[in-house]
Amino acid sequence: GQNIDQPTEMTATEGAIVQINCTYQTSGFNGLFWYQQHAGEAPTFLSYNVLDGLEEKGRFSSFLSRSKGYSYLLLKELQMKDSASYLCAVRDSNYQLIWGAGTKLIIKP
Amino acid sequence: DTAVSQTPKYLVTQMGNDKSIKCEQNLGHDTMYWYKQDSKKFLKIMFSYNNKELIINETVPNRFSPKSPDKAHLNLHINSLELGDSAVYFCASSQQIGGGETQYFGPGTRLLVL
Repeated sequence: GQNIDQPTEMTATEGAIVQINCTYQTSGFNGLFWYQQHAGEAPTFLSYNVLDGLEEKGRFSSFLSRSKGYSYLLLKELQMKDSASYLCAVRDSNYQLIWGAGTKLIIKP
Repeated sequence: DTAVSQTPKYLVTQMGNDKSIKCEQNLGHDTMYWYKQDSKKFLKIMFSYNNKELIINETVPNRFSPKSPDKAHLNLHINSLELGDSAVYFCASSQQIGGGETQYFGPGTRLLVL
């Protein structure tokens, strides 16, 4: 079966750095996405990786290793508004998005 | 301008009723989706339409019937609502179904079946 694993919840301090991991087992791979979802709101796109390596976008970076079936989302200089769920999603060989359950990130002052 | 809009935002109804949720996107995208997000926050794809044609139909009860009158609209009709249908339903759209294009989500419809 297809599977996306992420930690259920993480806590970090304002101003710090946090890394949210995602491992996947899917039938084929056509890219990995990270989305942010604030409570009661819709998911919004953060990043897309299809090749191995690090993609940096401001305070957020996303890393991919296809051979290990592994990605992480790195958030720097954490702000209170970063408190949200972070969803990892993998596009499989049929171009379907398989979603993880999300990691709830709690930022403390 | 709202890119992807859904109505209604909240829907409270009795078991056994039939209800519809409407979705419209003004992004000129070719592909639209319906997702269900349950209390455990799993996002599950239900349907995907590309240019008004059904291309993904996950294992969803046939009480759920999508309808796409044109490529900017994808409505979801649910017959004989059950308690387990209570969830948040998100509509989304993307330019194509493959590649690195992002999916843009509507605000969600919170359905509560009593």
